[in-house]
Formats: sequence, C-alpha cells, structure tokens
Amino acid sequence: RKEVEQDPGPFNVPEGATVAFNCTYSNSASQSFFWYRQDCRKEPKLLMSVYSSGNEDGRFTAQLNRASQYISLLIRDSKLSDSATYLCVVKSGANNLFFGTGTRLTVIP
Amino acid sequence: DGGITQSPKYLFRKEGQNVTLSCEQNLNHDAMYWYRQDPGQGLRLIYYSQIVNDFQKGDIAEGYSVSREKKESFPLTVTSAQKNPTAFYLCASRDPGTGIEAFFGQGTRLTVV
Repeated sequence: RKEVEQDPGPFNVPEGATVAFNCTYSNSASQSFFWYRQDCRKEPKLLMSVYSSGNEDGRFTAQLNRASQYISLLIRDSKLSDSATYLCVVKSGANNLFFGTGTRLTVIP
Repeated sequence: DGGITQSPKYLFRKEGQNVTLSCEQNLNHDAMYWYRQDPGQGLRLIYYSQIVNDFQKGDIAEGYSVSREKKESFPLTVTSAQKNPTAFYLCASRDPGTGIEAFFGQGTRLTVV
C-alpha cells in the first residue's frame, strides 16, 4: 500500500467553480501534512501546511481528518491561474516526507 | 536573493556515462535532499544529508552517489549502474525555521539518449 494516495484527476472545472481534492495516508503516526503546488515542468512549491483544526488561506481551505487518515484541499472561486498539479505531502518521522502522485487541475475559461 | 540553484536545467547523457547534477544553496540550510520524479509517480527520495560530510541513502539510492563537502553544495552523480535514469531530478533543502520541509530548486531534466 502506498504511503500517500491521491486521485490523479484530471479535474477540469470552469472559472469560479469550487473544487476539492482528497488525499489518504497509511501511517497513523504521521505528524505533519502539506499541500504543494507544481506547475508544468517546474518545481513543487509549498501551498500551505495543514493543521489539525483546519486552516484557510484566502480561497484555499485545508482540512485534516486523523480518524479517517485523510486530508483535503478546497479551492473556491477557481481562477485560470489555479491550473496546476497539487501534491499531497505527509511527514512521518524526522526525515520521511512522502509525496502523493499529484492531482491535476485545469480551470477552463 | 536566497535560493537553491540546480544546473543544468536540461541534460542529455549517453548510455554508459556518468553525469553529475549540481545543487547549490545560499540559504544556510543544514539538510539537503535529492528526489526523482517520474510521470504518474510521487517524488522518491534518492539521498539526503543532514550535515556536512554526512549523507544517507533514501528509498532509491542504487545507481546514484552524492557528496557533501560543503554546506552549500550537494551534487548528485547518476552512474552507469542506474538502469533507468531518464527523469526529473529535484534538489531540496529543509528550513525548520519557517516550517518549510522541502524548498526545491528548479530541477534538472535528465534524458538518456
């Protein structure tokens, strides 16, 4: 079983839509969770950390469900510039970062 | 500006050749990492280094070697023993001060021809 699993998509949504991605992780002892954004042929960049109580950054909301071992990312009012691949990242232990395969989002005019 | 610089951006290698990918950072980060990214797969850890003159194998170290003689530099050598080296290689550092677990360079796209 993979450490981190994501729906690869693609998700094609119109501008202004709300879209949600989920990610599940296998290690119940995982301590930290993140969403990274990766543009085509570029490096991943940290989008936001995911906190136990859930957190919001503008149009982006991240949530963690430890009982079910999943994290989610909600994007409201999608913009064309949101088109990218979103990577779910889970930290287990001091040096173990596990990356999901990414979910590809395309926002359509 | 502080950051991580990888070079070259694109690299072509003939089968049987060793190549070295450069990774330099001026962020004063102790920990540095090399990942490999293939289509349809998550990033996989090749090697990491927590401190100068020390490094550890990651999940897919076979066919690769690294050195960490200076804090700023963590070069990766892809040897001829690596059976399937064509991939996107990403170098990263960790900044515990900001909580950024992986701060990436721009990547090197290696193609074996």
